[in-house]
Amino acid sequence: GNSVTQMEGPVTLSEEAFLTINCTYTATGYPSLFWYVQYPGEGLQLLLKATKADDKGSNKGFEATYRKETTSFHLEKGSVQVSDSAVYFCALRDTGGFKTIFGAGTRLFVKA
Amino acid sequence: EAQVTQNPRYLITVTGKKLTVTCSQNMNHEYMSWYRQDPGLGLRQIYYSMNVEVTDKGDVPEGYKVSRKEKRNFPLILESPSPNQTSLYFCASRVTSGSYEQFFGPGTRLTVL
Repeated sequence: GNSVTQMEGPVTLSEEAFLTINCTYTATGYPSLFWYVQYPGEGLQLLLKATKADDKGSNKGFEATYRKETTSFHLEKGSVQVSDSAVYFCALRDTGGFKTIFGAGTRLFVKA
Repeated sequence: EAQVTQNPRYLITVTGKKLTVTCSQNMNHEYMSWYRQDPGLGLRQIYYSMNVEVTDKGDVPEGYKVSRKEKRNFPLILESPSPNQTSLYFCASRVTSGSYEQFFGPGTRLTVL
């Protein structure tokens, strides 16, 4: 079945450091891929998405590229801020469109 | 303001006492879904609904019921809650085509003693 695997956290970085959170997936066909972010005490909100191979999603300085050959969708940001502290979820929507599968989430702490 | 609302936000109950968590969205979305979030497991889908009167099981439906009598509402029912249903619950909605971005409610933290 479809699945999403994320790197375990927590990830602790200093402000202005480079961020990478790894995400790999298993799926048949061509799923759409997403990164969602959950700030403390809130629900999830979409951060970025990519719907086909080699697409790059970007938002708020975050980027992720849909790599079909490595079945990956790693999240990157060049310079993190304290306000980026949150839990990040990688997710895929199966080609049937009915279900979204989420990874376990990666908690990010950014220190001033 | 476009939003998904859930009530209650926090609930402590005892084993076996029936409860309902309400979910409502004002975006005219066809698709609605319930998830539970547990440490180390991420979000797991409980039930989803493609439209009024159309519901289907997700990955962890045991012990839960849902109904979709109106497009905007999708309540989650626990007929006989047990301690293993202690969790953080999220309702979400989206359109059935296009970007497939899901909009999430603020969550309901349920504790079953």
